Amino acid sequence: QKEVEQDPGPLSVPEGAIVSLNCTYSNSAFQYFMWYRQYSRKGPELLMYTYSSGNKEDGRFTAQVDKSSKYISLFIRDSQPSDSATYLCAMSPQTSGSRLTFGEGTQLTVNP
Amino acid sequence: GAVVSQHPSWVICKSGTSVKIECRSLDFQATTMFWYRQFPKQSLMLMATSNEGSKATYEQGVEKDKFLINHASLTLSTLTVTSAHPEDSSFYICSASLDLAGGPGDTQYFGPGTRLTVL
Repeated sequence: QKEVEQDPGPLSVPEGAIVSLNCTYSNSAFQYFMWYRQYSRKGPELLMYTYSSGNKEDGRFTAQVDKSSKYISLFIRDSQPSDSATYLCAMSPQTSGSRLTFGEGTQLTVNP
Repeated sequence: GAVVSQHPSWVICKSGTSVKIECRSLDFQATTMFWYRQFPKQSLMLMATSNEGSKATYEQGVEKDKFLINHASLTLSTLTVTSAHPEDSSFYICSASLDLAGGPGDTQYFGPGTRLTVL
């Protein structure tokens, strides 16, 4: 069983839709959670990070963490064609310089 | 802030030659850098963790004599693919670790990647 599970998609939505991306994890040592966006042939770009259960909002993006269920989500409101990319969840223990464990990534296409 | 660069962005080489890829943190010092490999439509695969001034820690199955990593300063790490073969063709991405203010740990900022094609 993988430590981090993420549905690879592909996910296709119309412009303006609310997108929900999710990851589950099995390692309770994970305390630090991140979402990265990766455009084709580019390096991943950090979107959001959080280390506590609950919601964190940044513009059209909301990251949600439920440690009791070992479940994290990223919501994108009013999705735009420019949001079309692969979204990777990542997590690590609460240790400086520690390695990240990535999900497989979800490929998202927002259609105009 | 937190910009990481890689050079070159793409390289084509003949089988048997060596290729060096540079990773630089431009506006911060990173005690830890990471090297990843990514195949098409797959997630990132960690190859090694690089700490400034010490030997890199390689993941299981990664040949340390083939993928030489040097982390000579707090802003520069290099990956050298020695005696490259077509199966080494891939997208190589580095990241640099930064301790974010207000957080309990640190997170990784990624470079734009280097596409290596070995003929």
